[in-house]
Amino acid sequence: DGGITQSPKYLFRKEGQNVTLSCEQNLNHDAMYWYRQDPGQGLRLIYYSQIVNDFQKGDIAEGYSVSREKKESFPLTVTSAQKNPTAFYLCASSIAWGGDGYNEQFFGPGTRLTVL
Amino acid sequence: SQQGEEDPQALSIQEGENATMNCSYKTSINNLQWYRQNSGRGLVHLILIRSNEREKHSGRLRVTLDTSKKSSSLLITASRAADTASYFCATVTRGNNRKLIWGLGTSLAVNP
Repeated sequence: DGGITQSPKYLFRKEGQNVTLSCEQNLNHDAMYWYRQDPGQGLRLIYYSQIVNDFQKGDIAEGYSVSREKKESFPLTVTSAQKNPTAFYLCASSIAWGGDGYNEQFFGPGTRLTVL
Repeated sequence: SQQGEEDPQALSIQEGENATMNCSYKTSINNLQWYRQNSGRGLVHLILIRSNEREKHSGRLRVTLDTSKKSSSLLITASRAADTASYFCATVTRGNNRKLIWGLGTSLAVNP
């Protein structure tokens, strides 16, 4: 089955700890994204990557870091510098954009992070 | 930054009725997309409408786009309880097609 997987589904972290969220896709997509969603809110872009070994900051990158060493994988690290990390984190991927703009994004099931 | 604003924020209807959700945006766009999110899950792409299109259908979904008013609507006909979800619009801005700009969503409840 083709798709995007995120693990774990639920994650608990103590204050002051870094934690890494996994995102893997087997859709052969070039572009990958990390979003944060807070209750009753839309999606806010943390980081995105158009191609292996390249990534760009989104709207709320502070306190987060990413890597893109393989096309299939785009892990997100939530560092202790992120002041309010409790949220639902969504990973997505898409084919690199076509001539008239972006193609649709495919989402993973999400990881709910709670800081204790 | 959020560009789209969905209206209404919440909608509750009976099974079999039609549901209409609206989305307004601020800048010129390449395309506008609608997504559905079931509670606690990832988003699922529903339909994409390009800036030179005015209407698009997919099964029980009908999307319209009015670029002069910078607005779009999503109509779900003959709704079912399984349509209960949040619905988001997202735009690809002309001149910056590297990312989607998301609205805050409409929460739809379809009562059996």
